[in-house]
Amino acid sequence: AQTVTQSQPEMSVQEAETVTLSCTYDTSESDYYLFWYKQPPSRQMILVIRQEAYKQQNATENRFSVNFQKAAKSFSLKISDSQLGDAAMYFCAFSGNTPLVFGKGTRLSVIA
Amino acid sequence: DTAVSQTPKYLVTQMGNDKSIKCEQNLGHDTMYWYKQDSKKFLKIMFSYNNKELIINETVPNRFSPKSPDKAHLNLHINSLELGDSAVYFCASSQSPGPRGEKLFFGSGTQLSVL
Repeated sequence: AQTVTQSQPEMSVQEAETVTLSCTYDTSESDYYLFWYKQPPSRQMILVIRQEAYKQQNATENRFSVNFQKAAKSFSLKISDSQLGDAAMYFCAFSGNTPLVFGKGTRLSVIA
Repeated sequence: DTAVSQTPKYLVTQMGNDKSIKCEQNLGHDTMYWYKQDSKKFLKIMFSYNNKELIINETVPNRFSPKSPDKAHLNLHINSLELGDSAVYFCASSQSPGPRGEKLFFGSGTQLSVL
């Protein structure tokens, strides 16, 4: 069974600085997708970024980028120029032959 | 227009009661899901339906019964509510049943509190 591990329950970052959230996963599949979802206090689940495992190029969405290391089964999220609105729970998720499997989340605080 | 809407947003009830949560999507998607988020924020899939047919049923007590009258709707009925059922329940949808790579669209969640 696939597992997703987020080893940082909480992180904080100063406004305008950069922060990296860690995620590792375990799978025997070779073709899969990885996601980062954001959950602000409103509870809404918002897709931040998606990475296809067969693509070596790291995905980027504006201030959000990933560092995908397939051999190490690592998928970290980097947030540049952090803003107050980035404060939220961030979930790493895996999608292969099974439905989306989530990590336990990292709570990110942004300090003004 | 909200893509995936679920009602109610909050539900407070007594132990032993029966309650339902409704979900509707207007995206034309074929597949819908129920996820449960516990007090520690852990999200886990409960059910998945494709075009009104159940395709995934994780280890969920029989007290939970999903019903899909059409592919745009997936309701969750819970019998004999227990304290441990308190959680946030999320409805979601995707274009097709293939979980691989599919972007899930989530509703805003229903916070269920069992007293």
